[in-house]
Amino acid sequence: KAGVTQTPRYLIKTRGQQVTLSCSPISGHRSVSWYQQTPGQGLQFLFEYFSETQRNKGNFPGRFSGRQFSNSRSEMNVSTLELGDSALYLCASNKNVDRADEQYFGPGTRLTVT
Amino acid sequence: LAKTTQPISMDSYEGQEVNITCSHNNIATNDYITWYQQFPSQGPRFIIQGYKTKVTNEVASLFIPADRKSSTLSLPRVSLSDTAVYYCLVGEMEDSGAGSYQLTFGKGTKLSVIP
Repeated sequence: KAGVTQTPRYLIKTRGQQVTLSCSPISGHRSVSWYQQTPGQGLQFLFEYFSETQRNKGNFPGRFSGRQFSNSRSEMNVSTLELGDSALYLCASNKNVDRADEQYFGPGTRLTVT
Repeated sequence: LAKTTQPISMDSYEGQEVNITCSHNNIATNDYITWYQQFPSQGPRFIIQGYKTKVTNEVASLFIPADRKSSTLSLPRVSLSDTAVYYCLVGEMEDSGAGSYQLTFGKGTKLSVIP
């Protein structure tokens, strides 16, 4: 069974640009969550999507947005990039929607903003 | 929001049993306790999950006392490959009826296994 895949794995952008990251969940998983990980703040929840709808959102500015497609694949977009957006962006998928079940994480996209 | 507290770091020699304790005083009735392991530049990996008493799988055991205000992850006979950051999480459920939730990760415990 293929795991969660994220593309691209590494990305370098300039301040002020925008970026789109992609996540393909495990087949059959309908919930996709995004996290930002930095050395200073650790792992922080960005948002969660289920059946193309955003169900939950963390405490991030509106520059961070996402969407989910009918095949459960998800994208997140960051507009007007800032130096502080440099981080590892992790996507996780989950099949059980009744409780905090096991999340399967992808390898992440390492974003560097210069 | 249920908050967790864990030691920042721990050292252990190869072959020893390691116990990492996590405090979660405000755990809610519906919350499960989950532990993840993360290696550098990789996504976290699920280790074990429990609600109460004791849970054991092929890699670890999880001990949860009756009041559920803490939990202890036990790793038997650690090896160098167990060097990683271990996160204790308490699942938070939104009362929307749709099963929406988010995971709140703390700082984790950095375990260093020494040869």
